[in-house]
Amino acid sequence: QSALTQPRSVSGSPGQSVTISCTGTSSDVGAYNYVSWYQHYPGKAPKLMIYEVNKRPSGVPDRFSGSKSGNTASLIISGLQGEDEADYYCCSAAGDYTMVFGGGTKLTVL
Amino acid sequence: DVQLVESGGGLVQPGGSLRLSCAASGFTFGKSWMTWVRQAPGRGLEWVANIKDDGSWTFYVDSVKGRFTISKDNARNSLYLQMSSLRADDTAVYYCAVWGDGWGFDYWGQGTLVTVSS
Repeated sequence: QSALTQPRSVSGSPGQSVTISCTGTSSDVGAYNYVSWYQHYPGKAPKLMIYEVNKRPSGVPDRFSGSKSGNTASLIISGLQGEDEADYYCCSAAGDYTMVFGGGTKLTVL
Repeated sequence: DVQLVESGGGLVQPGGSLRLSCAASGFTFGKSWMTWVRQAPGRGLEWVANIKDDGSWTFYVDSVKGRFTISKDNARNSLYLQMSSLRADDTAVYYCAVWGDGWGFDYWGQGTLVTVSS
């Protein structure tokens, strides 16, 4: 149950695109199409942005998309906006109904 | 609207016990799998435990096995986390969340802070 690996920080200017990677193993990210992504403003409740690798819940802008290749999943945010500045976490199924999160990535909008 | 309201957090001494509660409304609680997730100060999110909709199956992160127990009372629309043998590294904000069909955590509460310190 080791945490998934995410970059500690990424940044981009308004209107640009950024990609946040999430690297696991063949026992979690590589094994299941149950990768989800969360947006978290400090002191607030996290918000589900992507589930099942690339599906968006109702109300999440289509600027947010997800993908997966092998043991690495990615969250892509296009058309960056100031309100996107937050912490982002990936999460994956890890077998036997257990889950594992990534360490989190701080997105800065320059 | 879905609402999840955690309570029961506070200061507890190492080795002590605490029970967290999560009051749910706005969805069919009895048909929902639920989860607890925590965030230690300055750290990332950590999955703690899941429970099946009828409460018959439970799953835990290794670090809390044998010390924490997740349960739910569908008649009261409430989720619980009984924590015992608490350690300093259990200090965190604890969130309850709905575990959706797509294996994402669809809705979250605002969290309750647990501090383990002498």
